[in-house]
Amino acid sequence: DTGVSQDPRHKITKRGQNVTFRCDPISEHNRLYWYRQTLGQGPEFLTYFQNEAQLEKSRLLSDRFSAERPKGSFSTLEIQRTEQGDSAMYLCASSLVLGEANSPLHFGNGTRLTVT
Amino acid sequence: DQQVKQNSPSLSVQEGRISILNCDYTNSMFDYFLWYKKYPAEGPTFLISISSIKDKNEDGRFTVFLNKSAKHLSLHIVPSQPGDSAVYFCAVRDDKIIFGKGTRLHILP
Repeated sequence: DTGVSQDPRHKITKRGQNVTFRCDPISEHNRLYWYRQTLGQGPEFLTYFQNEAQLEKSRLLSDRFSAERPKGSFSTLEIQRTEQGDSAMYLCASSLVLGEANSPLHFGNGTRLTVT
Repeated sequence: DQQVKQNSPSLSVQEGRISILNCDYTNSMFDYFLWYKKYPAEGPTFLISISSIKDKNEDGRFTVFLNKSAKHLSLHIVPSQPGDSAVYFCAVRDDKIIFGKGTRLHILP
């Protein structure tokens, strides 16, 4: 399977706990994005990387959230001191950007987080 | 403030007829527009796109129309098939991709 993979698919955690999600993008893709989706909403942008550099962070990304892409390949999204409002589907996507050419985003199937 | 608006949360269409999904955007500087389709428990998948230098792009049963003066785009699916039942997201590219809230399309037998 050469698509975007996310792990785990589901995560249930208690309020106040830390959680970490992993995303493996399509191997030749240099951009990696994190989005969050809640019921009745479209995917909301959180942050993105070009190779290992984090280029933009949404104001939705509070200081409890941190994302890394240490070697420009896989990425992790950590949420510290989870709150019930963090319950959502966390989607990862990747694309290939070469100059002006920009491939569409390819999404993984997401990690569904439930904070109890 | 929503930059991409899909004002119809849901739409029901008879199988074989045309489905028309609409989308409005706020920023006339946007120059690339996309439609994504999402099934339950899966991530969104890319469907079709259009650059602002065009007003129409067609791919099989799917056609996207862009009206820049009205800042409006639409997705036409004809003929509609049962497998088209899904949530459709309109999106614009602004370095990142900005999505609308989606329209749930039901294809009725």
